[in-house]
Amino acid sequence: NAGVMQNPRHLVRRRGQEARLRCSPMKGHSHVYWYRQLPEEGLKFMVYLQKENIIDESGMPKERFSAEFPKEGPSILRIQQVVRGDSAAYFCASSPFNAGPDGYTFGSGTRLTVV
Amino acid sequence: DAKTTQPPSMDCAEGRAANLPCNHSTISGNEYVYWYRQIHSQGPQYIIHGLKNNETNEMASLIITEDRKSSTLILPHATLRDTAVYYCIVRAPDNTDKLIFGTGTRLQVFP
Repeated sequence: NAGVMQNPRHLVRRRGQEARLRCSPMKGHSHVYWYRQLPEEGLKFMVYLQKENIIDESGMPKERFSAEFPKEGPSILRIQQVVRGDSAAYFCASSPFNAGPDGYTFGSGTRLTVV
Repeated sequence: DAKTTQPPSMDCAEGRAANLPCNHSTISGNEYVYWYRQIHSQGPQYIIHGLKNNETNEMASLIITEDRKSSTLILPHATLRDTAVYYCIVRAPDNTDKLIFGTGTRLQVFP
């Protein structure tokens, strides 16, 4: 039973390019959460999705960032026109329906470097 | 979710018990105490949770005071691999909303 799979593990983009981060939740998990961690800082919530629905995007920057969790396939966090300040580790977590916090499983993250 | 307060950092000698405190004086009656940790460059990992009774699993023990306003995570025999940031989170178990991570306690285990 594979855990939460994130890819790529490392991603390098030039300023102005697009970054697409993928998250495959654990089998049977219907909720996906994205977090961002800037260097030497804590985890900051970005967005919470269920299949085909965005439940809470209160932590998403208003521009350039978007997320989706389609009926089929992984959840995608998309960052358009990346800037140096987007360099960070992006973590995805998944949980089953109605799970408490002990049901959250995190992936190993994608480290985005913008050059 | 109730707010938690943790010391920013702690040291512990390898093989000794690491006792990590957490204050949650505004905890509600239906809220549990959850502990996670984040080892460098990895995703957070669930450790343990409890409501009011002390809990123990293969990773750690959780001691919750009788008034539930504070708790202590105990790693009975710390190893170098336990060096990590430890997060205390308080929330109701049926709350499927996002987890909010504070600043946590950075535990350094030294040889």
